[in-house]
Amino acid sequence: GQQVQQSPASLVLQEGENAELQCNFSTSLNSMQWFYQRPGGSLVSLFYNPSGTKHSGRLTSTTVIKERRSSLHISSSQTTDSGTYLCALERRSNTGKLTFGDGTVLTVKP
Amino acid sequence: EAAVTQSPRSKVAVTGGKVTLSCHQTNNHDYMYWYRQDTGHGLRLIHYSYVADSTEKGDIPDGYKASRPSQENFSLILELASLSQTAVYFCASKDRGTGNTLYFGEGSRLIVV
Repeated sequence: GQQVQQSPASLVLQEGENAELQCNFSTSLNSMQWFYQRPGGSLVSLFYNPSGTKHSGRLTSTTVIKERRSSLHISSSQTTDSGTYLCALERRSNTGKLTFGDGTVLTVKP
Repeated sequence: EAAVTQSPRSKVAVTGGKVTLSCHQTNNHDYMYWYRQDTGHGLRLIHYSYVADSTEKGDIPDGYKASRPSQENFSLILELASLSQTAVYFCASKDRGTGNTLYFGEGSRLIVV
């Protein structure tokens, strides 16, 4: 089975609403990373989060290893947040060998 | 600014033909990677390299070769392109050391016909 599962697969919000994206994993990990993929391509790192909670502006990432889950919270969504959010686990430290989920496609409407 | 550039950005290849995707990074990073992404799915690791002149197989290496002639350059080679290799290919680099994330290129869209 898939080692990294993301939910929901897609999400539509009105501007200003909050979003909670989930990532569940079935294997051991060294770290969980979250990426934003712009429509049409490139990935940008949002969080490198092995455990606990991290904040960056309107974004919050929480990883709970014992429960094998990580979440990404987006507060006060904006139309520019639209795109695909990917979580990826790194099984061994410092390898950069990532196993990705299939992503959550977020659409924020004005 | 640190950058990973890929070429070509888009290519149509014929089945059985040879395809080379190139990647150049100015990040001064030791580690480089090639991932592929199929529509609606996450990325999967094909090959990676931790040092020039050495490459390693990732999770899905079959049908692909890699070459790392220098720290800055990393190529992915499809000797006999097949329809199933139609995908978007991403190159990435990473600095050595725990806690460092990957920096991705813009992607190369390959269509095999």
